[in-house]
Amino acid sequence: QQPVQSPQAVILREGEDAVINCSSSKALYSVHWYRQKHGEAPVFLMILLKGGEQKGHEKISASFNEKKQQSSLYLTASQLSYSGTYFCGTATYGSSNTGKLIFGQGTTLQVKP
Amino acid sequence: KAGVTQTPRYLIKTRGQQVTLSCSPISGHRSVSWYQQTPGQGLQFLFEYFSETQRNKGNFPGRFSGRQFSNSRSEMNVSTLELGDSALYLCASSLNRAELTQYFGPGTRLLVL
Repeated sequence: QQPVQSPQAVILREGEDAVINCSSSKALYSVHWYRQKHGEAPVFLMILLKGGEQKGHEKISASFNEKKQQSSLYLTASQLSYSGTYFCGTATYGSSNTGKLIFGQGTTLQVKP
Repeated sequence: KAGVTQTPRYLIKTRGQQVTLSCSPISGHRSVSWYQQTPGQGLQFLFEYFSETQRNKGNFPGRFSGRQFSNSRSEMNVSTLELGDSALYLCASSLNRAELTQYFGPGTRLLVL
C-alpha cells in the first residue's frame, strides 16, 4: 500500500523551514527520500534504515520512527534550489532485499525569493 | 562515474504498437529496477532485475516485460500499447540487492497516440 505524504504542497520564502511527512500502514525496513525537479529524474537525498536513526545532509535532514512507521524530512533555511517535488519511497520487510520501492504521491515544495 | 543512461529519451507511438526501452546502469551496479511515472498514479514499481533474472514484479499486465543482459544493461518492452501507457519510464540502478540506494536515470517519455 502506498505511503501517505503530507502536506501535498507547501510554499516557502527563502530562509524558512519546512517539514514533509511520510506515513505507512505497513512495517517499514527502510525509507528513501528523493527530490525531483520538473522534467528531470528523481535525485537521491538520503536513506533511513530501521532503528529510528536521523540523518543529515547539509541543511536537509530526516528521521525515521520505526514504531510509528513514519519518516519526516526537515529542510532548514530553505534555498531556491530546494524547489521541486519530494518523494518518499518505502521498502517493507518482505521487500527489504529487493529493488522494489513503493513511493508516496509526492509533496511539491516551492521556495520563493 | 557516469550515471544511469536511458534511451531513447522521447518516443511517440500509436495504439497497438510495441516499444522497447533501454537502460544502462551505473558501472558496477548489478540491480536494475523499472518504474512508471504518471501524474495520476505517481511513481509505480514495474519490475526488478538482478543477475539477468526478474526478482520482483509490480501490478502491471503481462504486456509489460523486461530482461537483463550479462553486462547488467536492461530493456523493458511494452506490447500492444494503450493510451494509458503514456508516461515517463524510469529505471534505477543499485550496486546489488544488499545495497538499497537506487539511482535514477533521466527516463524515457513515451507518448501513445
